[in-house]
Amino acid sequence: DAEITQSPRHKITETGRQVTLACHQTWNHNNMFWYRQDLGHGLRLIHYSYGVHDTNKGEVSDGYSVSRSNTEDLPLTLESAASSQTSVYFCASSVVQAFGTQYFGPGTRLTVL
Amino acid sequence: GNSVTQMEGPVTLSEEAFLTINCTYTATGYPSLFWYVQYPGEGLQLLLKATKADDKGSNKGFEATYRKETTSFHLEKGSVQVSDSAVYFCALRIYNNNDMRFGAGTRLTVKP
Repeated sequence: DAEITQSPRHKITETGRQVTLACHQTWNHNNMFWYRQDLGHGLRLIHYSYGVHDTNKGEVSDGYSVSRSNTEDLPLTLESAASSQTSVYFCASSVVQAFGTQYFGPGTRLTVL
Repeated sequence: GNSVTQMEGPVTLSEEAFLTINCTYTATGYPSLFWYVQYPGEGLQLLLKATKADDKGSNKGFEATYRKETTSFHLEKGSVQVSDSAVYFCALRIYNNNDMRFGAGTRLTVKP
């Protein structure tokens, strides 16, 4: 069955370290998204991609970067982790349709000490 | 701008009670509206959606009607079960725009 996976599921790191969160989908969806989930804020969009080599900034992109070298993967990198980036991170993907449903991965809980 | 406001939780109900979770939105353009559900330890799953005014989305006994005149998309269920305990998110997306905006989420706990 097609799916979307994230790794690691849990990560603890220190302030200033570079961290990369992986997202892999097997639906062959062109669109992929990264969100962070914080209490009281719901989900906020960090970056998104409409296809290979395409990346776009979302609502809360500062301190994060993404790259899209193939259809299946959209890794999220925190260049220099900060305590404010402690959160739960969700990856999602969708087809290229006006009302395409977004399918979410299981999430990665990141703690920055 | 585009945004969603949903009622704050947590909401605690007894089994078989009626559920309403309010959601209102502000949007430029023509939004489609969604309810997502998040069970403990899992990602979000689409519960239902509506793509134009007066559409009713329904799934697993849940319903929501897209009301353009009141800019609302309230979630309802006539008789909740313990298994409905989860966090519910209202969301919107503008036509042909993949940027989705989510509400803050409402935690529902159903007690036997």
